[in-house]
Amino acid sequence: DTGVSQDPRHKITKRGQNVTFRCDPISEHNRLYWYRQTLGQGPEFLTYFQNEAQLEKSRLLSDRFSAERPKGSFSTLEIQRTEQGDSAMYLCASSLQTGTGYSANTGELFFGEGSRLTVL
Amino acid sequence: GENVGLHLPTLSVQEGDNSIINCAYSNSASDYFIWYKQESGKGPQFIIDIRSNMDKRQGQRVTVLLNKTVKHLSLQIAATQPGDSAVYFCAEGSTSYDKVIFGPGTSLSVIP
Repeated sequence: DTGVSQDPRHKITKRGQNVTFRCDPISEHNRLYWYRQTLGQGPEFLTYFQNEAQLEKSRLLSDRFSAERPKGSFSTLEIQRTEQGDSAMYLCASSLQTGTGYSANTGELFFGEGSRLTVL
Repeated sequence: GENVGLHLPTLSVQEGDNSIINCAYSNSASDYFIWYKQESGKGPQFIIDIRSNMDKRQGQRVTVLLNKTVKHLSLQIAATQPGDSAVYFCAEGSTSYDKVIFGPGTSLSVIP
């Protein structure tokens, strides 16, 4: 399978613990996105990378959240001191941007199946 | 703030009928609009997109219509099948910013 993979698929943790999610994008994709999705809602943008550079972070991403993409390939999303409000599905997506301007962005993101976090 | 939203949170259609899912947006700076389908337990899957210089685009069994005057987007699914049952999200993007913003979703249920 050459799609976007995420690990773990499910994580149950106690409040206050740290958790880390991993995303392996489609290999030739230079962009990687993290979204958070709660039940019945659309995915909410958290952050994205162009190769290894983190270019934007949402205001939703508190200082307890950190994301890295050290070699421009896989990415990790760490949540420190988890809170019950962090319970959600964390989605990773990747895309290939081949240029600049209008033609470069098609909106076609390739999503993984997500990592579901439950904080007790 | 500016957002993308949906008029109908749920929609039930008879198998074989056409489905229409509507979406309102408010960000006039968006350059393109996208429809995603999300099945239970899976990540969203791209269906079709349309750029702001177009008002209609057709794919396989799907058509997206864009009305910039009233900031309205719709997804039409022809001959709806049970496999079309899912949550559908409209989303918007722009060359001015590099993220795709999703709306809250419409659940489509196909009655056999």
